[in-house]
Amino acid sequence: DIQMTQSPSSLSASVGDRVIITCRASQSVSTYLSWYQQKRGKAPDLLISGASSLQIGVPSRFSGSGSGTDFTLTISNLQPEDFAIYYCQQTYSLPRTFGQGTKVETK
Amino acid sequence: EVQLVQSGAEVKKPGESLKISCKASGYSFIDYWIGWVRQMPGKGPEWMTIIYPADSDTRYSPSLQGQVTISVDKSISTAYLQWSSLRASDTAMYYCARQGAQKQAFDYWGQGTLVTVSS
Repeated sequence: DIQMTQSPSSLSASVGDRVIITCRASQSVSTYLSWYQQKRGKAPDLLISGASSLQIGVPSRFSGSGSGTDFTLTISNLQPEDFAIYYCQQTYSLPRTFGQGTKVETK
Repeated sequence: EVQLVQSGAEVKKPGESLKISCKASGYSFIDYWIGWVRQMPGKGPEWMTIIYPADSDTRYSPSLQGQVTISVDKSISTAYLQWSSLRASDTAMYYCARQGAQKQAFDYWGQGTLVTVSS
């Protein structure tokens, strides 16, 4: 299985901050990398697929980059509704493993 | 509008069987893979299994092979996840999700079914 490692596991930030979350794969996944946002008691919500393609309806303050083994999710101008847990997932090979998550908390 | 609506919460005893469901609407059910994701309390999501409704081609996570069965009923656009003998370690939230066309991400998710296994 491909192992996905996110960092940091948690971070504290304020509204208006720029937040960067990284995800590293144990082997190359090309650009088969997705990012999800999960709020308490809700299902994960797809933000970005293909490493950098923003889903329709997702605010442009979210962006993704990377290829191969190293990826980043950037949230510029953090908004109150962005405090949540973020997961990366590789969709290159089965099983399609997720990272352990990054919790974005209010400072 | 694409929707995935899952069956309600279940409380079972170890050794019992269970089948939970996920009814799809708003798209052509047979044209998209649909899968199940497990999330244990306080943990991240775990990819379990996926099926292509048109021909019932299935894939399982090696760690779960033999423990669960995925199936579909095309006539009612519904996917299922089934256990023949539950264990306490199966206690988790289970989500169904549609695999979209863009790089195989899960683009639509059900609301989740909480399964509790306790004696």
